[in-house]
Amino acid sequence: QKEVEQNSGPLSVPEGAIASLNCTYSDRGSQSFFWYRQYSGKSPELIMFIYSNGDKEDGRFTAQLNKASQYVSLLIRDSQPSDSATYLCAVSAGGTSYGKLTFGQGTILTVHP
Amino acid sequence: NAGVMQNPRHLVRRRGQEARLRCSPMKGHSHVYWYRQLPEEGLKFMVYLQKENIIDESGMPKERFSAEFPKEGPSILRIQQVVRGDSAAYFCASSSRDRDEKLFFGSGTQLSVL
Repeated sequence: QKEVEQNSGPLSVPEGAIASLNCTYSDRGSQSFFWYRQYSGKSPELIMFIYSNGDKEDGRFTAQLNKASQYVSLLIRDSQPSDSATYLCAVSAGGTSYGKLTFGQGTILTVHP
Repeated sequence: NAGVMQNPRHLVRRRGQEARLRCSPMKGHSHVYWYRQLPEEGLKFMVYLQKENIIDESGMPKERFSAEFPKEGPSILRIQQVVRGDSAAYFCASSSRDRDEKLFFGSGTQLSVL
């Protein structure tokens, strides 16, 4: 069983729509949750992080965390073609494992005009 | 405002040679992490270092791989006697302080083993 699972996609949405990216994790002790965006051939870029249950909004991005269901999601409102990238969900157990993130395989998002 | 600097950007080695990958963290960051991204696979944690200390190397292969972060100079990931399976993108990330898990990644080194 994979520790962090994401919809492999690809996910295709029209410009202006809401893109919904999902991630589940297996370690109930996970403390910190991150979303990275990675353009093809580039490095991962941190776009959101969330530590507590509920929603966290930053501009067009909203991260949602439900620890009981071991589920974290990323919503992108008013999607733009420039949002087309691979989105990586990452989870940390914290404790002595700070910075030791477990990444999902990534979801490829395509926003078409 | 330089970010995490990695070099070289591309590295080609023949089987059996050594590969040395360098990473300078962001200014003010003293924690360095190395991750590997194999083709068609996700990013995998390799090692976490602070200056002159290896904090967690649980993701490092037992043989041929080593890492250091000396008091002066960049962090080095060293792969001895490379094999084709070592071909991957190696990313370095840094963070500013203890318990800060917001990692900032460098542009990576693409290692190709012929």
